[in-house]
Amino acid sequence: KQEVTQIPAALSVPEGENLVLNCSFTDSAIYNLQWFRQDPGKGLTSLLLIQSSQREQTSGRLNASLDKSSGRSTLYIAASQPGDSATYLCAVLGSGGYNKLIFGAGTRLAVHP
Amino acid sequence: EAQVTQNPRYLITVTGKKLTVTCSQNMNHEYMSWYRQDPGLGLRQIYYSMNVEVTDKGDVPEGYKVSRKEKRNFPLILESPSPNQTSLYFCASSLDRHQETQYFGPGTRLLVL
Repeated sequence: KQEVTQIPAALSVPEGENLVLNCSFTDSAIYNLQWFRQDPGKGLTSLLLIQSSQREQTSGRLNASLDKSSGRSTLYIAASQPGDSATYLCAVLGSGGYNKLIFGAGTRLAVHP
Repeated sequence: EAQVTQNPRYLITVTGKKLTVTCSQNMNHEYMSWYRQDPGLGLRQIYYSMNVEVTDKGDVPEGYKVSRKEKRNFPLILESPSPNQTSLYFCASSLDRHQETQYFGPGTRLLVL
């Protein structure tokens, strides 16, 4: 059974820091991995999607890497800003799955001025 | 604007009173899902639908029903709500089974007394 773990559960950093959020999964037979952002009172916003054949994806200040064999992904946020404060969720889609993402519990990020 | 809408956004009800949470998407997506989010447990899939009239159970389907009579709509029905169904509910849709970018609704916060 696939399990997804995110470390740390919470993180508080000063503005401008570069930071890394970690995600690990137990079954390497995945189709893709996605990183989402969740703001209070709002839905989830997809940030980056990495296919199982890819090693990384970049969007602006965000870079996500995937090491499928070791069951790990990292989300790197460069030059953090207060507007980055949110909960970040990692989710994997099993290679045999139909439309079911397995989510981690998330990392709550606070970036203070 | 491409979006997934849910109604209502907030709902307080009493045990046993049937309720329906609506979900609609305007992107002509085939795949739709319902998730619930609980503290410490992350998001868990309740039901999903691969197309009109095709639905199947997710990880936590007990106490819920769904229907997919039209491609754009995927309502979640609680026939006899109980307090353990108090949760934050999300509807999601994607173009295909491999979820090339999954779109989430804004969430429905349900309290069952």
